[in-house]
Amino acid sequence: NAGVMQNPRHLVRRRGQEARLRCSPMKGHSHVYWYRQLPEEGLKFMVYLQKENIIDESGMPKERFSAEFPKEGPSILRIQQVVRGDSAAYFCASSPLSRTSRIKDTQYFGPGTRLTVL
Amino acid sequence: EDKVVQSPLSLVVHEGDTVTLNCSYEVTNFRSLLWYKQEKKAPTFLFMLTSSGIEKKSGRLSSILDKKELFSILNITATQTGDSAVYLCAVEAGGTSYGKLTFGQGTILTVHP
Repeated sequence: NAGVMQNPRHLVRRRGQEARLRCSPMKGHSHVYWYRQLPEEGLKFMVYLQKENIIDESGMPKERFSAEFPKEGPSILRIQQVVRGDSAAYFCASSPLSRTSRIKDTQYFGPGTRLTVL
Repeated sequence: EDKVVQSPLSLVVHEGDTVTLNCSYEVTNFRSLLWYKQEKKAPTFLFMLTSSGIEKKSGRLSSILDKKELFSILNITATQTGDSAVYLCAVEAGGTSYGKLTFGQGTILTVHP
């Protein structure tokens, strides 16, 4: 059973370009979470998605950042017009957690995408 | 706002030593506390704790939660160089924050041979 997959693992962009980060959850997981880890800081929650739904985007910057998890295909975190401050490691996690069934399960993390903005 | 504080921020020990990592938290509508180990890649799940006073063990690692005092500890006995990593503590809240993890800043553990 493959784990959470993220690509690319490393991404270099110039200021003003767009960055697209992809996350494929573990098989059987329908809940995806994105976290950002700035240098020398802990992981910070950005957004929680289910298929075709954004459940909680309270950690997402209001401008330039968007996320989606379509019915088919991976979840995408999109950063438009990147700035140097966006340089960070972006981690995706998935879980089979069901909001309605209250099953407690943990989040499993992917290897991350390290974004560098020049 | 939910908050997680870990201590110490860094720790240097020698192989064979025992270490205790601390995690205190403030969270509305607590659901669970999790420990992860992060080397130069994905955080790897160690433990999920939901009930006070019940120790969870995995080999040389163990962890316990105190919901009254709002803290958890992670113990590592007979440390090895392979234990060198950043140890992350996170809490999950219920309600509208369901599923969202709030992380501490991590404890950097370095184990020398």
